[in-house]
Amino acid sequence: SQQGEEDPQALSIQEGENATMNCSYKTSINNLQWYRQNSGRGLVHLILIRSNEREKHSGRLRVTLDTSKKSSSLLITASRAADTASYFCATGPGGGADGLTFGKGTHLIIQP
Amino acid sequence: KAGVTQTPRYLIKTRGQQVTLSCSPISGHRSVSWYQQTPGQGLQFLFEYFSETQRNKGNFPGRFSGRQFSNSRSEMNVSTLELGDSALYLCASSPGTYNSPLHFGNGTRLTVT
Repeated sequence: SQQGEEDPQALSIQEGENATMNCSYKTSINNLQWYRQNSGRGLVHLILIRSNEREKHSGRLRVTLDTSKKSSSLLITASRAADTASYFCATGPGGGADGLTFGKGTHLIIQP
Repeated sequence: KAGVTQTPRYLIKTRGQQVTLSCSPISGHRSVSWYQQTPGQGLQFLFEYFSETQRNKGNFPGRFSGRQFSNSRSEMNVSTLELGDSALYLCASSPGTYNSPLHFGNGTRLTVT
């Protein structure tokens, strides 16, 4: 079953704008991860935030986690055409065991 | 460091046949996980191997099986293929430690006709 649910399902913005994607989940988690997938290819890990963290940054990425609301957001600042991809949140203990539970993803299109 | 390698990249099989997919993890990674991705169900966890032992399994029928070799390479087998098995099968490796992210291959696109 899908635990993470991303919102919106699709997002189209102009290059240079910021993109925000949200993820909600149902059960308690140890960590939440965000991945990017370019069309027809494998997923690329972007960032992992532990359940005791509230915010994390990596380059143009900012992730927040609110465990009381069971939600997370991914902000991509100053978007580029190369950011066009699907973005997934995933919950789980990480490291492979027990498997990650992925949402259905947000398809982000950056228009030049 | 070389990334996760999956072979073959594309595969077309007929219903009822069986198929074996291969995955070579990043050097030093002892955990290999397999995921199925379809437009309808999204990404679903199949199973995970660590040091040749299956640590966990998702909710898939017994037609889906896997194994891991001593060099950490892994294979996944699907027997008696059904049309619904058409999907992108993704392999991911990690050191296998708590909170370590997954490194995915580019997948094998399986089409069952």
